[in-house]
Amino acid sequence: DAGVIQSPRHEVTEMGQEVTLRCKPISGHDYLFWYRQTMMRGLELLIYFNNNVPIDDSGMPEDRFSAKMPNASFSTLKIQPSEPRDSAVYFCASSHPDRREKLFFGSGTQLSVL
Amino acid sequence: DQQVKQNSPSLSVQEGRISILNCDYTNSMFDYFLWYKKYPAEGPTFLISISSIKDKNEDGRFTVFLNKSAKHLSLHIVPSQPGDSAVYFCAASDSGTYKYIFGTGTRLKVLA
Repeated sequence: DAGVIQSPRHEVTEMGQEVTLRCKPISGHDYLFWYRQTMMRGLELLIYFNNNVPIDDSGMPEDRFSAKMPNASFSTLKIQPSEPRDSAVYFCASSHPDRREKLFFGSGTQLSVL
Repeated sequence: DQQVKQNSPSLSVQEGRISILNCDYTNSMFDYFLWYKKYPAEGPTFLISISSIKDKNEDGRFTVFLNKSAKHLSLHIVPSQPGDSAVYFCAASDSGTYKYIFGTGTRLKVLA
C-alpha cells in the first residue's frame, strides 16, 4: 500500500492567495484527519471525517479554512485568503475501522505564506 | 487551551541509558492514550498505546505508564539507541469520539 498521499509537498504563496492542499487516504480507512504542526501548538487537530462526513471542525481556525471529502479516496483543505500566520506543516492522516488508535500520517505539506 | 501538555521541549540521553518522556493531560474524559514518533520531513508514526483500564503497556524497548489520578503518562525507552532520536508526541482521546489531541512534542536526542 502506498500509504497516505499528500500533495503538494511544499507550497509557497503570497498573502491573499488561495491555497489547496490535497490528501488521498489509505484504501479501506474510514476516518480522515487534518492536522497542522507549529512550534507553539504542536500537532493541532483541524477537522476530521468519518465515512466522508465531517464529524468535528471545531479546530478550524477561521472561516478562511474549509475542508471537503467528496469521496472515500480524496480530501482537500482550502485556505482562502491565505495569511503569513498560516505558515505551517499540514498533515493528513487516516485510520482503519479495526485499529482506530493507529493513525497513518502522510508526509505533510510545508506551507509558506509570504 | 492545551489539553495535552509535554513540558519538556527537548531531552538528551546517552546511548544505552533510559529515556523518559513525560506527558500531562487535563481532560478527565480522556481514556485512550498514544505515543507517536516523528523523524524530520516525515509524518508521525504510531509507537505504542494504552487504555485507561491499564497502568502499563510494554512493547519491546518501549513501555508506557499511565497514572490516572495524576493525569500523567510517560514513555520509557530502554536501552536508548541513536535511531530513537526523533520528536515524540503524546496524544489522548475520549474513545467515544476518536478525536485525538496531540501535545507539542519532545525532541529526543540519543548521543552515541
